[in-house]
Amino acid sequence: AQSVTQLGSHVSVSEGALVLLRCNYSSSVPPYLFWYVQYPNQGLQLLLKYTSAATLVKGINGFEAEFKKSETSFHLTKPSAHMSDAAEYFCAVSDQTLSGGSNYKLTFGKGTLLTVNP
Amino acid sequence: DTGVSQDPRHKITKRGQNVTFRCDPISEHNRLYWYRQTLGQGPEFLTYFQNEAQLEKSRLLSDRFSAERPKGSFSTLEIQRTEQGDSAMYLCASSRKSYEQYFGPGTRLTVT
Repeated sequence: AQSVTQLGSHVSVSEGALVLLRCNYSSSVPPYLFWYVQYPNQGLQLLLKYTSAATLVKGINGFEAEFKKSETSFHLTKPSAHMSDAAEYFCAVSDQTLSGGSNYKLTFGKGTLLTVNP
Repeated sequence: DTGVSQDPRHKITKRGQNVTFRCDPISEHNRLYWYRQTLGQGPEFLTYFQNEAQLEKSRLLSDRFSAERPKGSFSTLEIQRTEQGDSAMYLCASSRKSYEQYFGPGTRLTVT
């Protein structure tokens, strides 16, 4: 079964600083990988996804993530943090089936709360 | 495209009562998912529909939980004889392709 580990339940950065949120996964087959963002009392919004195309994936709001198979990692980065980036971020994995599709069930990490200091 | 909607947004109930939540997916999305999120945790998969067929249920779904999706449109999640451990955010998501799920705002359940 797949699993996701997000290192650091809380990350604090200054406005304008680099954001780095870490995610490692375990999966028996090449996975699909996702980052979602959740603002207080709201649902999850998809930031970006990796579906076995380019290993460097660009998402919304200036975020990007790089799939590194050798490290089983999919870390999320943003060059310059903005106050509006303060939220909780979740990494998720979905295994591919033998036919190449997804088995549809997302397994999430425990989340990383990002705070941005002025 | 109005997004996934869920109703109610908040529900407070007494232990032992039954509750029902509704999810309206994005139109023409044939896949619908339910997740549960407890405080400090990521969402956990509960169940999945493709059209009106319920294709998988998690072991997290005890016999007190039931989900339906009549006619392959909206879905309901019912919890019977609620317990304090059922307090959580219940999230609904829909998709056309399995790997791109769009989430609703969630229903926060508090069992007193």
